[in-house]
Amino acid sequence: DAGITQSPRYKITETGRQVTLMCHQTWSHSYMFWYRQDLGHGLRLIYYSAAADITDKGEVPDGYVVSRSKTENFPLTLESATRSQTSVYFCASSQLLGYTDTQYFGPGTRLTVL
Amino acid sequence: KQEVTQIPAALSVPEGENLVLNCSFTDSAIYNLQWFRQDPGKGLTSLLLIQSSQREQTSGRLNASLDKSSGRSTLYIAASQPGDSATYLCAVKDYGQNFVFGPGTRLSVLP
Repeated sequence: DAGITQSPRYKITETGRQVTLMCHQTWSHSYMFWYRQDLGHGLRLIYYSAAADITDKGEVPDGYVVSRSKTENFPLTLESATRSQTSVYFCASSQLLGYTDTQYFGPGTRLTVL
Repeated sequence: KQEVTQIPAALSVPEGENLVLNCSFTDSAIYNLQWFRQDPGKGLTSLLLIQSSQREQTSGRLNASLDKSSGRSTLYIAASQPGDSATYLCAVKDYGQNFVFGPGTRLSVLP
C-alpha cells in the first residue's frame, strides 16, 4: 500500500544496545521527520531531512543518528539505547515545507528500553 | 523558545454538542498552524492547516481560526459524534524548520 510505514511497530531492547527504527514512504516526498512522543512533553522533533543526504537536528537529537541515502527511506538509530529513550517514535513526511504543505505521519513505533 | 499549550487537557461531551478546543502559542512569528487528530495507538492525521496570513479554515463540521496577534487558535467541532473521540493536537511551524506541538486535548463524545 502507498503511504508511510514504520517498522517494527513494537520493540523491546536493553540498555546499551543499538536499535534502528525504519521509516519508508512511497510518495517521493522531499522532507522526512522523526518525532518522539512522551507523556508530559507532547511530540518533539528529533531530526529531519530535506532531501537524500541532507539531514539536520531538531529539538532533541542527542543519542540518535539518522541517514538518508534514498529519498524513500529515513532510518533512525539509537547507537546505545538508554531508558530515557523509551518512547513512541513517529516518522512523518511532507512534499515541501511551504505554507500549505502538511505532514503525513506513520503509525508509530513503541520502543521500550529495559 | 516557542511554547504551545492546549486547553482543556480532556473533555467529555454528549453526542450532538458543539465544542471548542483551544490552542495558545507564545511567539506570534509563525509560518502556519495545523490541527491534527490522533486515535489511540495510531499516528497523526492532519485536519486543517491555516497559513499565517489566514484567519480561518473549514472542513466539513470542523472550523479552525487563527489570531496570530494574540497567539491563539481554536478548533470548533459542530454536532459532535462518537467517532470524533480522539486526541486533538495543534502544531505551529516557525520560519525555520521547527515544528512545535501542543500536548493535546483528549476528547470523548458519549453516545
